[in-house]
Amino acid sequence: NAGVTQTPKFQVLKTGQSMTLQCAQDMNHEYMSWYRQDPGMGLRLIHYSVGAGITDQGEVPNGYNVSRSTTEDFPLRLLSAAPSQTSVYFCASSRQESSGNTIYFGEGSWLTVV
Amino acid sequence: KNEVEQSPQNLTAQEGEFITINCSYSVGISALHWLQQHPGGGIVSLFMLSSGKKKHGRLIATINIQEKHSSLHITASHPRDSAVYICAVNFGNEKLTFGTGTRLTIIP
Repeated sequence: NAGVTQTPKFQVLKTGQSMTLQCAQDMNHEYMSWYRQDPGMGLRLIHYSVGAGITDQGEVPNGYNVSRSTTEDFPLRLLSAAPSQTSVYFCASSRQESSGNTIYFGEGSWLTVV
Repeated sequence: KNEVEQSPQNLTAQEGEFITINCSYSVGISALHWLQQHPGGGIVSLFMLSSGKKKHGRLIATINIQEKHSSLHITASHPRDSAVYICAVNFGNEKLTFGTGTRLTIIP
């Protein structure tokens, strides 16, 4: 049971380049989400999905795109990278249970845009 | 606005001390999470609670729904407890709102 797997761990991009952060979970969780973590701020929600084929915007969606073609995978696409997107990105998944929804995070992806 | 506030922002203590980290939120919630993040590392869920108290080893989490307040306690603190502790809240749906975290440093 690998949990939530995120790749790549580190990436340097040039302004204007595009890339995809991969996220996969093997726990059959319905809910998946992407966050960014910046110094001095709490994690902020970029996009989320409540199941395959369903996605929605979070707090800071601009410049990012997502899709959810399967339950397992939830990739995050940076369309045209900007220095303001330099951040640490976390993917997370959870399943609603009677006792609540324990959340599982990936290891994080450190992205630098120059 | 749904907000989550943590205190203190930074906490330094000697090994063995009893540690308390606080979290307050603005409106009613469905669940509250305590998370741990080591430097350069991923984020691990410590507790998820909607009422009362939970204990796991030296860690204890409590929540007071009426006062909209939760505390995370660490007994007999150890240098390996040094990390950032994050409070996160479900305001009635799956989406989480996060506090800015408490950086804990335990000195041997």
